[in-house]
Amino acid sequence: AQSVTQLDSQVPVFEEAPVELRCNYSSSVSVYLFWYVQYPNQGLQLLLKYLSGSTLVKGINGFEAEFNKSQTSFHLRKPSVHISDTAEYFCAVSEAGGSYIPTFGRGTSLIVHP
Amino acid sequence: DTAVSQTPKYLVTQMGNDKSIKCEQNLGHDTMYWYKQDSKKFLKIMFSYNNKELIINETVPNRFSPKSPDKAHLNLHINSLELGDSAVYFCASSQESGVTYNEQFFGPGTRLTVL
Repeated sequence: AQSVTQLDSQVPVFEEAPVELRCNYSSSVSVYLFWYVQYPNQGLQLLLKYLSGSTLVKGINGFEAEFNKSQTSFHLRKPSVHISDTAEYFCAVSEAGGSYIPTFGRGTSLIVHP
Repeated sequence: DTAVSQTPKYLVTQMGNDKSIKCEQNLGHDTMYWYKQDSKKFLKIMFSYNNKELIINETVPNRFSPKSPDKAHLNLHINSLELGDSAVYFCASSQESGVTYNEQFFGPGTRLTVL
């Protein structure tokens, strides 16, 4: 069975600074990887996904993530954050060819200060 | 156009009551889910349901039951509500047939408070 670890529960950062949110996964088979964002009092929406191919994935709102198979990581990055990026970010993994139900990490709260 | 909708958005009730939360999706997806998000934002899957099977997370009490009148709806019934049921409940949907990945679309959530 797969598992996901988001190492940081909270990441404070100043506006216009770069940010990286870390995600590591564990699985014995190939995986699909996702990042979701949850703005305050809203549901989750997909930021980006890795299915196959290029390991650098670009998503909405200027976010990107890089799949690193050897390190079993899928870290999320943005070169310059805005106040509006303040939200909860969830990493999720789904096993290819297996159970289609994704496993979510515990979330990382990104707090952008002016 | 709302893709996944839930009603009500807020639900406040007394311990011991029975309540339902409704979910509808207009994406034509064949699989729907219910998640519970606790006060620490941890997302836990409760049910996964399509027209072929219901998968239940074994840690979910049998006071919780999903009911699907058709492919576009998956309602959540909760009997004998307890204080610990207070949480935000999210409905989600995805297309499983003919695809090899599982991108989920989430509803806005229902905040349940049990007094």
